[in-house]
Amino acid sequence: QVQLQESGPGLVKPSQTLSLTCNVSGGSISSAGYYWSWMRQHPGKGLEWIGYIYYSGRTDYNPSLKSRVSISVDTSKIQFSLKMTSVTAADTAMYYCARGRHTGFDPWGQGTLVTVSS
Amino acid sequence: DVQMTQSPSSLSASVGDRVTITCRASQSIGNYLNWYQQKPGKAPKLLISTASSLQSGVPSRFSGSGSGTDFTLSISYLQPEDFTTYFCQQSYITPLTFGGGTTVEIK
Repeated sequence: QVQLQESGPGLVKPSQTLSLTCNVSGGSISSAGYYWSWMRQHPGKGLEWIGYIYYSGRTDYNPSLKSRVSISVDTSKIQFSLKMTSVTAADTAMYYCARGRHTGFDPWGQGTLVTVSS
Repeated sequence: DVQMTQSPSSLSASVGDRVTITCRASQSIGNYLNWYQQKPGKAPKLLISTASSLQSGVPSRFSGSGSGTDFTLSISYLQPEDFTTYFCQQSYITPLTFGGGTTVEIK
């Protein structure tokens, strides 16, 4: 079964770039019909969709973050990545990667906490 | 953006009770509505997809219904492990959006 695992720095300085990777195991990242997504959850709050990269390579981002976000995929390493520029304290959150379709996000990674602080 | 409004934001119930959580979309989303369960410190888990399709391995006491703008998640005969937080999510159009969550607490 497909499993996802996030990795990346837990602490990022303000104004710098947040970079996270999601490693996919147990399946192909090129499987038709799936999109590979990033979400985040501020402490004690709800979930926010950041964006996704479709199996075809097409990307789509939340307009609220679009100017600062990019998602890419490395099929050879079976992973996809998130980059978020010019971070502030408001970007402190738990970040999740997940596989998605119109039938929902499943599975999810365990999440990785990113704190933005000097 | 499609706004997803969940109600109530929290509720108190007892083991064995039946509870219903509502999710309302700001525009029609057909049946592109999914429900998740999230336990403290864990990632969300998909319970129900496309409004009413129970995911494999999810107990049959969970059920979903609705279409268009109004949806419900029902849990019959609450078990101790069900006292946690539930989110709805629309997969009809980007930006994909989630409801604010409903926490089911022990009375």
